[in-house]
Amino acid sequence: AAGVIQSPRHLIKEKRETATLKCYPIPRHDTVYWYQQGPGQDPQFLISFYEKMQSDKGSIPDRFSAQQFSDYHSELNMSSLELGDSALYFCATREKGPADTQYFGPGTRLTVL
Amino acid sequence: AQSVTQLDSHVSVSEGTPVLLRCNYSSSYSPSLFWYVQHPNKGLQLLLKYTSAATLVKGINGFEAEFKKSETSFHLTKPSAHMSDAAEYFCVVSGSGGGADGLTFGKGTHLIIQP
Repeated sequence: AAGVIQSPRHLIKEKRETATLKCYPIPRHDTVYWYQQGPGQDPQFLISFYEKMQSDKGSIPDRFSAQQFSDYHSELNMSSLELGDSALYFCATREKGPADTQYFGPGTRLTVL
Repeated sequence: AQSVTQLDSHVSVSEGTPVLLRCNYSSSYSPSLFWYVQHPNKGLQLLLKYTSAATLVKGINGFEAEFKKSETSFHLTKPSAHMSDAAEYFCVVSGSGGGADGLTFGKGTHLIIQP
């Protein structure tokens, strides 16, 4: 079965650089969520999109922004990167309808040097 | 607002013995509850979910969980542990029912399987 695709899987950046993470949902999934998991931490919700509109906002820094495109894929843009942004970034998607199960991608590991 | 508390940060059991991972939740409405598993350097895999259809939920790999409203608990169990069960387990509650609300994770329980 098709799964959530995230790219890149690994990313190394310097401080103050920018990064763009991409998420491609499972077919027929219209809602996308982004989570950040720091080392040894539980995942923290950042932001979500439903039908290309921002739906809910969690602990996303102002330096980060995200959008969902017409094909339902989503991109998380991160600027002025800090050492503390080093983490595993997960995308999760949910299918159309009342079901609330989120299916997670494999994650992008971002390392900021 | 909703929250989950995983009562043990680490649980160690011997292979072939039962597993019990404890989770309590707090929610102002009827929640959806999940257990996810994360193997080292891997993504999050859904083990099982509760959505009020049945209080005893069966998941993958022999895991099950029982929803007890009176105790606000959703403990995860498995009759016989296997070495491949060693991983981090997260108890998770869904948002306020708005559809695109983010999940709230517990702090996780690290399951160690002794040979």
